[in-house]
Amino acid sequence: TQLLEQSPQFLSIQEGENLTVYCNSSSVFSSLQWYRQEPGEGPVLLVTVVTGGEVKKLKRLTFQFGDARKDSSLLITAAQPGDTGLYLCAGALVNQGGKLIFGQGTELSVKP
Amino acid sequence: NAGVTQTPKFQVLKTGQSMTLQCAQDMNHEYMSWYRQDPGMGLRLIHYSVGAGITDQGEVPNGYNVSRSTTEDFPLRLLSAAPSQTSVYFCASSYVVGDYEQYFGPGTRLTVT
Repeated sequence: TQLLEQSPQFLSIQEGENLTVYCNSSSVFSSLQWYRQEPGEGPVLLVTVVTGGEVKKLKRLTFQFGDARKDSSLLITAAQPGDTGLYLCAGALVNQGGKLIFGQGTELSVKP
Repeated sequence: NAGVTQTPKFQVLKTGQSMTLQCAQDMNHEYMSWYRQDPGMGLRLIHYSVGAGITDQGEVPNGYNVSRSTTEDFPLRLLSAAPSQTSVYFCASSYVVGDYEQYFGPGTRLTVT
């Protein structure tokens, strides 16, 4: 059973389009992190959201933490080929020593 | 700083063989962890350590052992390799356990035949 459901798993879009990736759970998280991973490399942190309802922006990327701290979304506007990669959400479970639970990942391909 | 380093980069084992995946960090991080990454399953926690001499199990610990004798090093041992352990293994570290950025190594791609 996946504690953190990430969708969609695959996404292929044209340059300039917008897209949203979702992470959902029935569990409450003390924080939620978003990572990006390039082929042959380890994940690299993009952002951490901590407060319910929090919105953070990183250039064309907008991250939102749900009010109940059970879900999060990543919106990419005007996608570019350089955005291609694997996006992973990871939640730190409350009362679990801060261990991270990862979603399945979203493989994004942006075609020029 | 080199960050988190892992060796080897690639490894092929036969069923039943044992080996140790090495992980080291030079950032004086207390928290270190091992994950395996399989297609469509994200990253799953194998074992973790909150400091030297302290280790605990994650989601998928069976078939793996760890020890943490120093702050810097956190090796992962496969006792008797099985084809189900074919995966990409990542070591990660962070300042402390909790809501802090985890720094990942480059990964070890392991194939068990």
